[in-house]
Amino acid sequence: SQQGEEDPQALSIQEGENATMNCSYKTSINNLQWYRQNSGRGLVHLILIRSNEREKHSGRLRVTLDTSKKSSSLLITASRAADTASYFCATDEGGSEKLVFGKGTKLTVNP
Amino acid sequence: GAVVSQHPSRVICKSGTSVKIECRSLDFQATTMFWYRQFPKQSLMLMATSNEGSKATYEQGVEKDKFLINHASLTLSTLTVTSAHPEDSSFYICSAREGLFQETQYFGPGTRLLVL
Repeated sequence: SQQGEEDPQALSIQEGENATMNCSYKTSINNLQWYRQNSGRGLVHLILIRSNEREKHSGRLRVTLDTSKKSSSLLITASRAADTASYFCATDEGGSEKLVFGKGTKLTVNP
Repeated sequence: GAVVSQHPSRVICKSGTSVKIECRSLDFQATTMFWYRQFPKQSLMLMATSNEGSKATYEQGVEKDKFLINHASLTLSTLTVTSAHPEDSSFYICSAREGLFQETQYFGPGTRLLVL
């Protein structure tokens, strides 16, 4: 089942700008993770935020989590052309070991 | 970081043949491995969860006789697509988790399967 739903589905920005992607989910979670996928490749884990955390930073990435709204956002600051990829959120559905992925946001950063 | 490999990276086969995809954790022991399927421009759909030494747990709608999963060791899981048909063409991705309480899954690079 698709739990995470990202928006926008596609985002095109200029290098140097910030990119914000949102994710909503439906059930309770223990954690939410963001992954990145370059075209035709596997997924790279970016960041994990636990249900008792509200914000987390990793380099140019900033993730927020609002469990009352069942939503999360991923902010990439000072974007680079190399950030061009699809970004997926994934939740541990009901705290299970399984990850449920959203549909993803395709980010294009133009040089 | 933890590395997961998949082999082959891409395969083309004739309809009716079987294809085996390997997933290996290179620098850690994976108690649990997961197999996903991804259609073009879509998200990942979990097919099955496999724990070393036990039978895989398949998601609803996934035919266990069609997609055979074997997790014979802590570093290797295989997915065999039996009697492949064109509709089985897809991108298959595995992931591995180091321990029962590890939250992060490490993904392989994926295998592109094309059935003619």
